[in-house]
Amino acid sequence: GAVVSQHPSWVICKSGTSVKIECRSLDFQATTMFWYRQFPKQSLMLMATSNEGSKATYEQGVEKDKFLINHASLTLSTLTVTSAHPEDSSFYICSANRRKETQYFGPGTRLLVL
Amino acid sequence: QKEVEQDPGPLSVPEGAIVSLNCTYSNSAFQYFMWYRQYSRKGPELLMYTYSSGNKEDGRFTAQVDKSSKYISLFIRDSQPSDSATYLCAMSGAGGTSYGKLTFGQGTILTVHP
Repeated sequence: GAVVSQHPSWVICKSGTSVKIECRSLDFQATTMFWYRQFPKQSLMLMATSNEGSKATYEQGVEKDKFLINHASLTLSTLTVTSAHPEDSSFYICSANRRKETQYFGPGTRLLVL
Repeated sequence: QKEVEQDPGPLSVPEGAIVSLNCTYSNSAFQYFMWYRQYSRKGPELLMYTYSSGNKEDGRFTAQVDKSSKYISLFIRDSQPSDSATYLCAMSGAGGTSYGKLTFGQGTILTVHP
């Protein structure tokens, strides 16, 4: 299957700092990538759709100024959690479309904000 | 009512059993149906992908879609302890604003015991 990587796999930061998470499609080009958030024992919640060369589309209730998304190339999208607070602690997962209807997911990034 | 309903379980079966996992949905615009497997603290892994109604088989896995009943299933034959994971159904529409956006079920926690 297609490979999507994320970096870092886990990060601990102090409250008020910003954290950047990278998502890369390793063996295919992805014009569209997606960012999800998952709380323990819950399903994935779509945060935003990242489009190469254009602004991201955010889901209702997701603060675009807090979760900055950049999709600068066909293989890389980044999510920056700005001024992180403990309530932002979660499991962040990206995915990329290889074909129109199929998404491949990265391994996830576990964020803990102290 | 959620767009996609999935019994969270947990489901516990003995090794070798046939496992049946199901989801129902309410949005008739869904055209693409997927099953993902997620191990603890990992990103979801695509297991099966089906377009519209019908059956699809891949090794020990069989996916069924019945659009008239808005019901999808995943069957696992000869279940193994390594199949123990959370299984997520996901679906998406044919295009437009729903392009590529997946709607997930809550996920079913499966344990296969030796």
